[in-house]
Amino acid sequence: AQSVTQPDIHITVSEGASLELRCNYSYGATPYLFWYVQSPGQGLQLLLKYFSGDTLVQGIKGFEAEFKRSQSSFNLRKPSVHWSDAAEYFCAMDTGRRALTFGSGTRLQVQP
Amino acid sequence: DAGVIQSPRHEVTEMGQEVTLRCKPISGHDYLFWYRQTMMRGLELLIYFNNNVPIDDSGMPEDRFSAKMPNASFSTLKIQPSEPRDSAVYFCASRTGWNTEAFFGQGTRLTVV
Repeated sequence: AQSVTQPDIHITVSEGASLELRCNYSYGATPYLFWYVQSPGQGLQLLLKYFSGDTLVQGIKGFEAEFKRSQSSFNLRKPSVHWSDAAEYFCAMDTGRRALTFGSGTRLQVQP
Repeated sequence: DAGVIQSPRHEVTEMGQEVTLRCKPISGHDYLFWYRQTMMRGLELLIYFNNNVPIDDSGMPEDRFSAKMPNASFSTLKIQPSEPRDSAVYFCASRTGWNTEAFFGQGTRLTVV
């Protein structure tokens, strides 16, 4: 079955520390991959996307993600977290049918 | 463009009442999606349209739910009759073509009491 797994439900990091959020997908080929962020009471905002080419993609707000085909992963990273990064982060994939399949999300808490 | 516009932002209704959620996609986008977000089930795809035609409604939970897209700039999601377990945030999103992302509305928070 096609699915996206985000193993970490909740992560807490200190402000200024580095961040990595994990995402694994299950699909027989390489899907299109996305990371979205959702602040409380808000819709989803795209952070970055991978369609093809360079496996390290840069996004907004200083985020980047690396696609690793061998591991079926698309982990999100940021070298230094800011308090404003506290939100819920969703990994998603598109297998070609245009509709996105989302992971269950990772809630990020940032400690001062 | 103002983005994907959903109305209302909040809706509180009594069990058994009809509820209609509305969505205006971004102009020029030919795909429109309805998602539901709950704590238990996360973000679920309910239905999506391409060029106003429903493509996949397998995520619609039951016959109480229906969705229409009468034209390229408007879609509705209707629940009749509503039940407390329908309480959730409903998102509308739109996108176009290949190599593009989906843009989401702010969502409608539905509470059925």
